[in-house]
Amino acid sequence: AQKITQTQPGMFVQEKEAVTLDCTYDTSDQSYGLFWYKQPSSGEMIFLIYQGSYDEQNATEGRYSLNFQKARKSANLVISASQLGDSAMYFCAMRGPGMTGNQFYFGTGTSLTVIP
Amino acid sequence: DGGITQSPKYLFRKEGQNVTLSCEQNLNHDAMYWYRQDPGQGLRLIYYSQIVNDFQKGDIAEGYSVSREKKESFPLTVTSAQKNPTAFYLCASSISSIRLPTGPTDTQYFGPGTRLTVL
Repeated sequence: AQKITQTQPGMFVQEKEAVTLDCTYDTSDQSYGLFWYKQPSSGEMIFLIYQGSYDEQNATEGRYSLNFQKARKSANLVISASQLGDSAMYFCAMRGPGMTGNQFYFGTGTSLTVIP
Repeated sequence: DGGITQSPKYLFRKEGQNVTLSCEQNLNHDAMYWYRQDPGQGLRLIYYSQIVNDFQKGDIAEGYSVSREKKESFPLTVTSAQKNPTAFYLCASSISSIRLPTGPTDTQYFGPGTRLTVL
């Protein structure tokens, strides 16, 4: 069974500092995609960054980067130079292949608060 | 602009009433999903559909029903059998893929959500 684990219910970071949000996943599949989403208090889910299981390079999108360690099955999100607008819930998700290729598995989320 | 719309944004329901939440997408996606989110919690899958006229139960389908008569539309009905329906409901869509991973377009695209409150 597929499973996503986010062990940090809440995190605090000083403005302009970097922060790492942890995500580990469990799958026996070789082909899968990993995603991070941001959910502000308004409730919308915003796609941030993607990592494919065959990608050798860590994904980066602006201030977001994904620290992908395949052997350890971890896909941590790194936010550099935190801004007040980064305060939100962050969800890690995985999409697998085959019969369940259209089903996504979400972690329980991490609430990030950026302190001025 | 392509995207997903959900209506209404806020919905109030009396106990014992059925209510239908709307979800429409113009992204030409085959797969659509409904999630429930309780305060401070993650997403729980209610139903998903991989193609028109087909849908599968998710983890918490009891008390809910869906239809998929058109590719663009995936309405969710919250029935009176759902004992605790007050929650935030998110609709999403994605490309339907049997060969993963292909890239960032594998992501789900979400609507703005509907907040349902039972009075």
